[in-house]
Amino acid sequence: QKEVEQDPGPLSVPEGAIVSLNCTYSNSAFQYFMWYRQYSRKGPELLMYTYSSGNKEDGRFTAQVDKSSKYISLFIRDSQPSDSATYLCAMSKGGSYIPTFGRGTSLIVHP
Amino acid sequence: EAGVAQSPRYKIIEKRQSVAFWCNPISGHATLYWYQQILGQGPKLLIQFQNNGVVDDSQLPKDRFSAERLKGVDSTLKIQPAKLEDSAVYLCASTEGTGKSGGANVLTFGAGSRLTVL
Repeated sequence: QKEVEQDPGPLSVPEGAIVSLNCTYSNSAFQYFMWYRQYSRKGPELLMYTYSSGNKEDGRFTAQVDKSSKYISLFIRDSQPSDSATYLCAMSKGGSYIPTFGRGTSLIVHP
Repeated sequence: EAGVAQSPRYKIIEKRQSVAFWCNPISGHATLYWYQQILGQGPKLLIQFQNNGVVDDSQLPKDRFSAERLKGVDSTLKIQPAKLEDSAVYLCASTEGTGKSGGANVLTFGAGSRLTVL
């Protein structure tokens, strides 16, 4: 079993839809939970991160962490074609610095 | 602020040939990482440098891969001899801190160097 599991998709939605992207993990030591966005032929860029459990909102994006279920989510409201990209979750342990990445979910938002 | 620079962007080689990739991190960033991203997979850490010292190279295939960061700034990653399974995007990333002190480790990535081994 991989430490971080993420459905590769692709996930295809119409413009304006609410998108839900998810990851599960097995290591209860993870404390920091990150979402990176990767456009085609570009490097990943950080969208947002959360510490421990709870929600965090940034514009159209909301990150949720449920440590009891070892499950994290990224919600995108009013999705736009420009949101079409691969979304990578990443996690790191407190005091251990290197994040472990999921394989990414490919999102396609069509007009 | 200039981002992480990588070159070349694309490289096609025959198996058993050698290749080198170059990375220039964000100015002042002490920690530099090389990741391998195979198509359809997440980035996998190859090596981590702090200044010019190696912090973690446990997942670097040392029989064929080597990396250096001699002056604590630029870094090169070399593959010799290349195998078909080395076809991937090689991502360089950097962070300001030295790590291991808690807090989210926010990596800034370059655009990557895409290697195709025929």
